[in-house]
Amino acid sequence: DAKTTQPPSMDCAEGRAANLPCNHSTISGNEYVYWYRQIHSQGPQYIIHGLKNNETNEMASLIITEDRKSSTLILPHATLRDTAVYYCTGEVFSGYALNFGKGTSLLVTP
Amino acid sequence: DAGVTQSPTHLIKTRGQHVTLRCSPISGHKSVSWYQQVLGQGPQFIFQYYEKEERGRGNFPDRFSARQFPNYSSELNVNALLLGDSALYLCASSLVGGAGTDTQYFGPGTRLTVL
Repeated sequence: DAKTTQPPSMDCAEGRAANLPCNHSTISGNEYVYWYRQIHSQGPQYIIHGLKNNETNEMASLIITEDRKSSTLILPHATLRDTAVYYCTGEVFSGYALNFGKGTSLLVTP
Repeated sequence: DAGVTQSPTHLIKTRGQHVTLRCSPISGHKSVSWYQQVLGQGPQFIFQYYEKEERGRGNFPDRFSARQFPNYSSELNVNALLLGDSALYLCASSLVGGAGTDTQYFGPGTRLTVL
């Protein structure tokens, strides 16, 4: 089961790229990394996930290091609405559940 | 398509009472997971159900129980409420649950306050 470590908070200027790091050094070989975000205690919103290769979708890009011990979520052009808590999660209980840490509180400023 | 729905949105109970929370998954999803999120922490896994069977359980006492119905909706029950049960309870649905690329999609949550 992977435990994840993220910085507690980060700031980013509106329009700039936000790069959110995550350490998951205990991740196993077939375990996916998922990213979610949570705004104002709403339910977590799925962003992206990956195993080994870098991934991109309409919301973000995910860069996973070759040794899979860390990853970076990239929001290419942050807006004020991207202000949220971002969670990098591993899998637990044989993959049935997501293992959330405390996440990174991202503040996007004008 | 409707996302995951949960009811009620807010609930206030007193210590020792019982509570039932409800969840309807995304249409076509057969697996439901429950998470508890206390203030300032990330969500913590409670249960996962697939095809009405409990597939996984987190480190929660027996006061917590759940079930899944033939239409794949689910109920979470908590008995003998404690002050520490005050939290946001989240339901997540996925196609079949399990590992890998079966993404879990979360509902808005039920905010439970125990007085």
